[in-house]
Amino acid sequence: DVVMTQSPLSLPVTLGQPASISCRSSQSLVYSDGNTYLTWFQQRPGQSPRRLIYKVSNRDSGVPDRFSGSGSGTDFTLKISRVEAEDVGVYYCMQGTRWPPTFGGGTKVEIK
Amino acid sequence: EVELVESGGGLVQPGGSLRLSCAASGFTFSNRWMSWVRQAPGKGLGWVANIKQDGSDNSYVDSVKGRFTISRDNAKNSLYLQMNSLRVEDTAVYYCATGGGLRGGEFEIWGQGTMVTVSS
Repeated sequence: DVVMTQSPLSLPVTLGQPASISCRSSQSLVYSDGNTYLTWFQQRPGQSPRRLIYKVSNRDSGVPDRFSGSGSGTDFTLKISRVEAEDVGVYYCMQGTRWPPTFGGGTKVEIK
Repeated sequence: EVELVESGGGLVQPGGSLRLSCAASGFTFSNRWMSWVRQAPGKGLGWVANIKQDGSDNSYVDSVKGRFTISRDNAKNSLYLQMNSLRVEDTAVYYCATGGGLRGGEFEIWGQGTMVTVSS
């Protein structure tokens, strides 16, 4: 199985400041069709997960543009340009290139 | 409004059975692969099983193979997970989600989840 490793585990951030979460996969996530199926989810406290970004950098409808995804191959990053209070929660990356789909362990974003 | 609503969770003894349901609305259910994803208390997310649009194909994570069965009824816009021979380690919130989890079907919509507790 593809192992997804996120860092840091915990990310204290000052409101209005940027935040960056790293996700690394144990194998390349480039599929034979040329796409890279790396997805980011946000899970706010007490809520279900919400998909933020798919195929590395495509934001879902309604997701604020302060969220951006980047990366290639085995190294990926989720950035929040200016953290707001509503961004508190756990962020997960997930690969959908190779069976079975696998998630990273999560990064907890909290306000300093 | 696009919505997934799970039900059927509860407390069950080890070795027991439970059937989860997921009611879909607001989208064409029969056009979508569907999945179950679980989250143990205080832990991360883990994909459990998926099923093709017409029910003709499905797959499972190794830890539930032979014990869990995913199914669907497109006439009722419903997804199911039959869980047999339950173990303590199956304790988790179970979410249904749109998509099979692979290559374009990465869990766009999630339900609110239903809690399954396996304990004596």
